[in-house]
Amino acid sequence: AQKVTQAQTEISVVEKEDVTLDCVYETRDTTYYLFWYKQPPSGELVFLIRRNSFDEQNEISGRYSWNFQKSTSSFNFTITASQVVDSAVYFCALSEGGSGGSNYKLTFGKGTLLTVNP
Amino acid sequence: ETGVTQTPRHLVMGMTNKKSLKCEQHLGHNAMYWYKQSAKKPLELMFVYSLEERVENNSVPSRFSPECPNSSHLFLHLHTLQPEDSALYLCASSQGTTSGSGDTQYFGPGTRLTVL
Repeated sequence: AQKVTQAQTEISVVEKEDVTLDCVYETRDTTYYLFWYKQPPSGELVFLIRRNSFDEQNEISGRYSWNFQKSTSSFNFTITASQVVDSAVYFCALSEGGSGGSNYKLTFGKGTLLTVNP
Repeated sequence: ETGVTQTPRHLVMGMTNKKSLKCEQHLGHNAMYWYKQSAKKPLELMFVYSLEERVENNSVPSRFSPECPNSSHLFLHLHTLQPEDSALYLCASSQGTTSGSGDTQYFGPGTRLTVL
């Protein structure tokens, strides 16, 4: 069974601070995919990143960076120099590779509410 | 970004009403999804369609009835709902590879449903 844990329910920071959102996952598959989504108050989930289990390289995209560590089953997300517009709920999600059958299931964590104060 | 659109954005209905939620994707994808997002709960996958065929139905009550007439449109027909069905209903689409696993899902803005 697959599971995603985001232990931080809420985080509050002041603008320009760096902030890391934690994500720990559980899966028995050797092939799997990890995702991060952002949900601003408008409600739409915005795709941020997709990473497969064979690619452990960290990724940086502007102020966003992701640290994937298979040894600790973690896929953490860091926002550098946070801004008020970063305020949102952030979800980590996992999709298992499947064993020849279809697997459309995307398991989400409960999300972390990030509030960036001016 | 208007890749996936949903209408209406807000809906208030009584328990005896019948209404439908509509989703349209403009991304050329083959798979479409309905999710339910309730307060304090993780997103729950309700239905998945791939090439207009239902491939997943996660024990959803029969008062929710999906319809996928083509790969660009997805509906969720609602009837005799309960107050606990009040939630944000999100539609998503993905490329729809053979297995579906690993596909990135792109979401619409959701329909905020309130059942009185």
